[in-house]
Amino acid sequence: GAVVSQHPSWVICKSGTSVKIECRSLDFQATTMFWYRQFPKQSLMLMATSNEGSKATYEQGVEKDKFLINHASLTLSTLTVTSAHPEDSSFYICSVPGQGNEKLFFGSGTQLSVL
Amino acid sequence: DAKTTQPPSMDCAEGRAANLPCNHSTISGNEYVYWYRQIHSQGPQYIIHGLKNNETNEMASLIITEDRKSSTLILPHATLRDTAVYYCIVSPPYTDKLIFGTGTRLQVFP
Repeated sequence: GAVVSQHPSWVICKSGTSVKIECRSLDFQATTMFWYRQFPKQSLMLMATSNEGSKATYEQGVEKDKFLINHASLTLSTLTVTSAHPEDSSFYICSVPGQGNEKLFFGSGTQLSVL
Repeated sequence: DAKTTQPPSMDCAEGRAANLPCNHSTISGNEYVYWYRQIHSQGPQYIIHGLKNNETNEMASLIITEDRKSSTLILPHATLRDTAVYYCIVSPPYTDKLIFGTGTRLQVFP
């Protein structure tokens, strides 16, 4: 069964609104989670590391005020795309560290379309 | 992180073996080789990983050269459902972070 639950699967929003994406670790307690972004026909790009109880660590070039990450519990991390614009339209994927062979378990992704 | 080089695309006939190469000439001694695949519009799925020795599981086999500068993922009997982008990633054991390269788009045809 699924180890990581990501919600919603897809969302359409108007330009200027904010969108929240949830990532839940179903089987493990996760002190860290990772958020990736993927544009069409491109690879996954790591955006940030979500840290439980502390600030997220953002990769170079990712605006922390644009992509708000909250990791308030050991099973839930949220990514909020603030004041979304069409260029933020992308596939957002979260991941949770595994405890066996799998280094990371990935969510099913969220397709964001900003009109 | 060490970088990997993969061919952008490959084709394979259904039922035949798919051999996907990966170059990682700058791999460090403690870095593992991981393979993930991503079927269209889904999150990546773990396939296999290894350090030095060849590995096999129910999905695939991983062949790592003796100098560890390259590896090959083998899907022994490809099916249409194996059509996906395959990513070869090298990563040290002390981090959970995975940095994805461009991958190989495998198309399995009937």
